[in-house]
Amino acid sequence: DTGVSQDPRHKITKRGQNVTFRCDPISEHNRLYWYRQTLGQGPEFLTYFQNEAQLEKSRLLSDRFSAERPKGSFSTLEIQRTEQGDSAMYLCASSFLRAEAFFGQGTRLTVV
Amino acid sequence: AQSVAQPEDQVNVAEGNPLTVKCTYSVSGNPYLFWYVQYPNRGLQFLLKYITGDNLVKGSYGFEAEFNKSQTSFHLKKPSALVSDSALYFCAVREGDNAGNMLTFGGGTRLMVKP
Repeated sequence: DTGVSQDPRHKITKRGQNVTFRCDPISEHNRLYWYRQTLGQGPEFLTYFQNEAQLEKSRLLSDRFSAERPKGSFSTLEIQRTEQGDSAMYLCASSFLRAEAFFGQGTRLTVV
Repeated sequence: AQSVAQPEDQVNVAEGNPLTVKCTYSVSGNPYLFWYVQYPNRGLQFLLKYITGDNLVKGSYGFEAEFNKSQTSFHLKKPSALVSDSALYFCAVREGDNAGNMLTFGGGTRLMVKP
C-alpha cells in the first residue's frame, strides 16, 4: 500500500499523559499536513511541513502540541499533558507541492 | 479568512435517483475547491477538485461538481445514486493565490442512499 500511513490507529490514554503519533506520507510528496477532526465536524487544520520545514501552524496548536518532520519524510505529532478535550481523530495528509492532499486513515485518540 | 458552508446535515435519496450535495464558500482570492468522502472509521478520500477552467469538474465514482463563481457555490452531483455512495461528504476550499496550503472544510453532509 503506497498511501499515507498513520500509527497507531487507536490510542487510549489517561489525562495528563503524553502521546506521540506517527505519519508516513506518500514517498514522493514533499508536503505533509496534520488535521484534527472531532465527532460530527469537518477536519481542522493544525500544521503543515514542506520537506523538513514547518511553514504554518494553526492557533489550535497550543503549546502542548509539537510536530516534527526531521528528515523531510515521516512526521510525528506529540501532545503533552493530554486533556479530555484533546480526544479526536488526528488526520495526516500529504501532497506534492500544492496538488490535492491525500489523507491517511487517522489516529483516534481517547483521553480518559 | 476562508470558510465553507454545507447547509444540509443529511441528504436522503433513493437508489437510481440523481443526488446533489450543496456547498458554498468564501475566500478573498481565487478559490481552489475540493470534495472528499469519508467512510466509517476511515480517512478522507479525494473525489475531485476545481482549480481553473471548465466549471463542470468530473471526478471519481461518477461524481461531478459545478463551480458557480457568482453564487460562490461548488455543489456535488451524481446522475444516479448507488447504495454504496452512502457516506460523509466534505467540501473544502483553499485560497489559490495564498502561499499557504491550509484547507478549510465544511461541517460535512451525510448522504443516505436507500434501496
